[in-house]
Amino acid sequence: EVQLLQSGGGLVQPGGSLRLSCVASGFTFRDYAMSWVRQAPGKGLEWVSTISSGGSDTHYADSVKGRFIISRDNSKNTLYLRMNSLRVEDTAVYYCAKSGLTGDLSDFDYWGQGTLVPVSS
Amino acid sequence: DIVMTQFPDSLAVSLGERATINCKSSQSVLYSTNNKIYLAWYQQKPGQPPRLLIHGASTRGYGVPDRFSGSGSGTDFTLTISSLQAEDVAVYYCQQYYTTPFTFGPGTTVDIK
Repeated sequence: EVQLLQSGGGLVQPGGSLRLSCVASGFTFRDYAMSWVRQAPGKGLEWVSTISSGGSDTHYADSVKGRFIISRDNSKNTLYLRMNSLRVEDTAVYYCAKSGLTGDLSDFDYWGQGTLVPVSS
Repeated sequence: DIVMTQFPDSLAVSLGERATINCKSSQSVLYSTNNKIYLAWYQQKPGQPPRLLIHGASTRGYGVPDRFSGSGSGTDFTLTISSLQAEDVAVYYCQQYYTTPFTFGPGTTVDIK
């Protein structure tokens, strides 16, 4: 059974930093690209970032480019999102998601439970 | 960026009746090298993460009931629930994964009439 277990959310002040983690199980983690998708309160889904299966290629939404860093440790089956210079508009539930296909261009076939990141003073 | 639009914004359907949601992409999401359509549909219930329903515009995800079907090509796509059940009350999103930034439609809320 595929599982994506997220941790690391919590209240942070504007300008602060936070790291989210997502531990995967039930599939061969190193074979699949992984992504982060967020959802502001009461709003729709917004793709944030994707990292290739080996970690060499990364893609970012313009809204987070230069502030967020996606990474992965295939030896630990873990995906990370380092969020720096956080803004109030980054407030959202953040989901990690597994690619359904091998390759960076893919749907998201499994999702983590989500973690809330409120950015507020 | 590829802009995804959905209509209607919301719809209410009687139990057992058909629900149809439309999605349009601002450019084609057909990958010519492999002739595959890079379009997915997700269902999201309150307080839950999204669930993949359809990928490749028409292929059901794992464990998805066959009352859900997807169709379309090029830039116009449809998600159909053939016989609405109470557990289908949710928000439905289309998404293109043809190119980054991956983009989602604004969502369509489905409720019971």
